[in-house]
Order: sequence, then structure tokens, then C-alpha cells
Amino acid sequence: DTGVSQDPRHKITKRGQNVTFRCDPISEHNRLYWYRQTLGQGPEFLTYFQNEAQLEKSRLLSDRFSAERPKGSFSTLEIQRTEQGDSAMYLCASSLSGGGEGPQHFGDGTRLSIL
Amino acid sequence: GNSVTQMEGPVTLSEEAFLTINCTYTATGYPSLFWYVQYPGEGLQLLLKATKADDKGSNKGFEATYRKETTSFHLEKGSVQVSDSAVYFCALYNQGGKLIFGQGTELSVKP
Repeated sequence: DTGVSQDPRHKITKRGQNVTFRCDPISEHNRLYWYRQTLGQGPEFLTYFQNEAQLEKSRLLSDRFSAERPKGSFSTLEIQRTEQGDSAMYLCASSLSGGGEGPQHFGDGTRLSIL
Repeated sequence: GNSVTQMEGPVTLSEEAFLTINCTYTATGYPSLFWYVQYPGEGLQLLLKATKADDKGSNKGFEATYRKETTSFHLEKGSVQVSDSAVYFCALYNQGGKLIFGQGTELSVKP
């Protein structure tokens, strides 16, 4: 079990630039989730996939945000035209769903800083 | 709607002290409840879970009992160690795929 892997761990960029993050879930997990965590707060749900289908998106996910999971394995989260308020930790989690919902396992996150 | 409320931190204890971190929830139906722990610079690690009323989750000396009558899932440990210093998050899962988290409680254990 290699765990959930996220890349990069840290990203510093200027306001207005586009950024993309990658998440590799635990290999047998069919569900993949994205959360955002700001300092001193709990994670907030952004979106999730079951296999390659995106099943739910939070209203936190503005038009500048897009997530994909093209082959039902790894996922990418892209933020276009970044803003100061996008500075946060972006967490990915995965779980096995089928005959019951398994617990979500988290990666170490990507910390985004907007200059 | 679904929500989770945790006691505010930081909580500062001496080593070997008894720990309680309060967590209450609001939800329709029968959610599953979780405690996650986050060490500095890392993601969240699942600490324990309970899926139905009166279930007790336990791991690494930590325990929490799912109390439907008081809508609570308080985290306890009989004797904390310095290595338990971290931020603890209570969370619920109530269909729909997403976890709903509390704001987190920072625990600092002094030698």
C-alpha cells in the first residue's frame, strides 16, 4: 500500500497564473476526492470522482477550477487565473466504494501560495 | 444540513494526563463518524471511526463512542504522550461522498 501521493508538495506562483496539481490514489480505490484547507480550519469538500465520472462539485469550485480523472486512476486539479484567496492546502483523498463506503485516505497535500 | 462542532483549542496538557476533545454533530439519518489527526506539514491520517450508534472506535489508545442520543463523538485517551501533539479533526460522512469536518482542535503535550 503506497498511499495517496500528491505532486507538487509546494507551489508558489504569481497572481493570474494557472496551476495544476496531480493526485495518485491508492491503486484499488475507485473514489477520489479533492478538499481545500485554509489555515486553522478543517478541510472543505471541492469535488469527487467515482472511477472517471465526476459525481459532485461544491459551489466552492468556481469556474476557474476544473478537475479531471480521465482514466479513473490519477486526477488533476487546475486553477486558472489564480487569486490571492486561492492560497490554501489542497488535499486529495481516495476510498473504496462498493458494498459500503470505505474510509477516505488522504495524501500530504499541495500547499499553494499566491504572491 | 450536516455540520460538526469541536471544542476550541489549543488544548495544552502534561504528559500522562487524560485527554478529552469534544465533538458534536448535526445530521439527518445515520452518519458515520470519524476522527482524523494531522501532524505539522502533513495530510490527515484516519485515527478511528464508528459507523452506527453505540459503536466504539479505538486505535493507539484513543477511543470515541458514537452517542446518537447526545449527537456526540468525543475523543478520549487515558494517558497522552508528547508524540500525540497534533491537530485533531472530527468528521461525519452522510451519503453524497463528502466528509464534513469540524474546525480542528490543536493538542500540545508538554513533557
